[in-house]
Amino acid sequence: QLQLQESGPGLVKPSETLALTCTVSGGSISSSSYYWGWIRQPPGKGLEWIGSIYYTGSTYYNPSLKSRVSISIDTSTNHFSLKLSSVTAADAAVYYCARAAGSYYPHDFDYWGQGSLVTVSS
Amino acid sequence: EIVLTQSPGTLSLSPGERATLSCRASQSVSSTYLAWYQQKPGQAPRLLIYAISSRATGIPDRFSGSGSGTDFTLTISRLEPEDFAVYYCQQYDTSLTFGGGTKVEIK
Repeated sequence: QLQLQESGPGLVKPSETLALTCTVSGGSISSSSYYWGWIRQPPGKGLEWIGSIYYTGSTYYNPSLKSRVSISIDTSTNHFSLKLSSVTAADAAVYYCARAAGSYYPHDFDYWGQGSLVTVSS
Repeated sequence: EIVLTQSPGTLSLSPGERATLSCRASQSVSSTYLAWYQQKPGQAPRLLIYAISSRATGIPDRFSGSGSGTDFTLTISRLEPEDFAVYYCQQYDTSLTFGGGTKVEIK
């Protein structure tokens, strides 16, 4: 059974960089059939796609976040990572990592991590 | 960007009733690039429907999806107690965007 687990600091200071890692177990991150992505959800609000990465390193980002986002992948350790720079209070959210079907473009997300709550405060 | 508008915001129904949830896109979603998710409090979303009408693995057949172009529908034929939750649609035609959600609550 595929499992995804987010890890990283739960508290980030304003203007600093948020960094999270997603560790994938029970399957290979190098599969040619899937993208790996990040989605966030502010408390009490809806879902926002941040970006997705293929095992080759090819990425797609949400245009509204593109200037601040970087997603990377490490196939040797089966994990992928998110960096979001210059954070503000608006970036406080539960951050989910997830697997998306697709070989040329990320589609629907069929496996999700449990989520990691990130607070932005000095 | 394709904006997805879900309605109603809240649906109050009783177990055994039929639920009809709407997702309207600001422009046509080409091919079959629309999915539906269920989210319960404190949990990650769960994929219910992909490609407009295909049920994900393990999803009961009381859940069905339909639609095309700009108008899409998720139908729950007979609500079970575990179906009361928030439901989101998502398109993956142009970038990826989610709707704002519909909460299905017990009447």
